[in-house]
Amino acid sequence: DTGVSQNPRHKITKRGQNVTFRCDPISEHNRLYWYRQTLGQGPEFLTYFQNEAQLEKSRLLSDRFSAERPKGSFSTLEIQRTEQGDSAMYLCASSLGGSGGYTFGSGTRLTVV
Amino acid sequence: GDSVTQMEGPVTLSEEAFLTINCTYTATGYPSLFWYVQYPGEGLQLLLKATKADDKGSNKGFEATYRKETTSFHLEKGSVQVSDSAVYFCALSRDDTGNQFYFGTGTSLTVIP
Repeated sequence: DTGVSQNPRHKITKRGQNVTFRCDPISEHNRLYWYRQTLGQGPEFLTYFQNEAQLEKSRLLSDRFSAERPKGSFSTLEIQRTEQGDSAMYLCASSLGGSGGYTFGSGTRLTVV
Repeated sequence: GDSVTQMEGPVTLSEEAFLTINCTYTATGYPSLFWYVQYPGEGLQLLLKATKADDKGSNKGFEATYRKETTSFHLEKGSVQVSDSAVYFCALSRDDTGNQFYFGTGTSLTVIP
């Protein structure tokens, strides 16, 4: 297992379109996290899963955003009716339990034109 | 709410210079504190952490001490190398479970030979 894998690496979409990103965590990690990072800012928490249960969601996660982790393995993050303000790097991380032992993926960069 | 304030960059140093990147935090309770590093084109990697006051985290020659009295967690390295060029993020989590991180805005470091 080489780490957390995110696909695609880059996505360019037109405003109003829907997009879906995928994250494959480290296989034995039970927790999975989504963060968003805009230029010049640190990552901002969006949501996290423990196994298949979504346990916490940020207020940043509007009703256009939905995340799933159906079998407690990979996760998807969908953005509906994209807006230019959604342009950002979307980061996924996973961990085995807590204690800050996150492993981050390289991210998916979304550009909404 | 919880937050992290980080020294703004970019920072440019000559090889073998001393590095300090300042980080202060605001949090209720007793947060855990972290430094993450992001090399060009890669995901964030945990550099070091400290979970309680007066703890010192260290890794790869970098050190940071959790100072509750000054609410600080400054990153230091005695002699930087070109390979240390990266963006450094200070972060806190409310507790040691690491369910949600609050990141600073990042400090870009460039080390020139």
